[in-house]
Amino acid sequence: QKEVEQNSGPLSVPEGAIASLNCTYSDRGSQSFFWYRQYSGKSPELIMSIYSNGDKEDGRFTAQLNKASQYVSLLIRDSQPSDSATYLCAVATSGSRLTFGEGTQLTVNP
Amino acid sequence: EAGVVQSPRYKIIEKKQPVAFWCNPISGHNTLYWYLQNLGQGPELLIRYENEEAVDDSQLPKDRFSAERLKGVDSTLKIQPAELGDSAVYLCASSSLAGVTGELFFGEGSRLTVL
Repeated sequence: QKEVEQNSGPLSVPEGAIASLNCTYSDRGSQSFFWYRQYSGKSPELIMSIYSNGDKEDGRFTAQLNKASQYVSLLIRDSQPSDSATYLCAVATSGSRLTFGEGTQLTVNP
Repeated sequence: EAGVVQSPRYKIIEKKQPVAFWCNPISGHNTLYWYLQNLGQGPELLIRYENEEAVDDSQLPKDRFSAERLKGVDSTLKIQPAELGDSAVYLCASSSLAGVTGELFFGEGSRLTVL
């Protein structure tokens, strides 16, 4: 079992829709969770961090964490073509390492 | 404020040749990371430095890879000799936070092609 697993993409949504990106992790001792956005040919950029159960909102982005289910998600409301990118879930495991998932490629169609 | 600077951006070499990548982190960031990213995959940690100390190098293939951060600022990652499977993007990242954190700032990466 991989330490961090994400939806197998690609995910395609129409402009203005809600994009939902999901991530599960195997280490129950994990404490910190992050979402990075990576445009094609560019480096990852941190867009959200979440440390406690529940929702965290930042503009059009909402991160959701459920430690009991070992599940973290990212919702993008009112999706824009500029949101088209690969979204990487990263988890700081109890083994003291930040582990990335393989990423989910999102395409927002005008 | 300048971001994480990496060079070279692109490198093409023959297998068995050596190659080196350089990284200058954001000023004041004591923690520096080297990651490897294959196409369609997430970044994989090679080594993490806290100042000059390599605090996590367990995933660095030490038979051919080496890294240094002599003065606790910039860092060099070396591969000698390179193999075909080393073709990837090598990402450097830095953080102002010590310990395990996900608040990383990445450089643009060095894309290596081994022929």
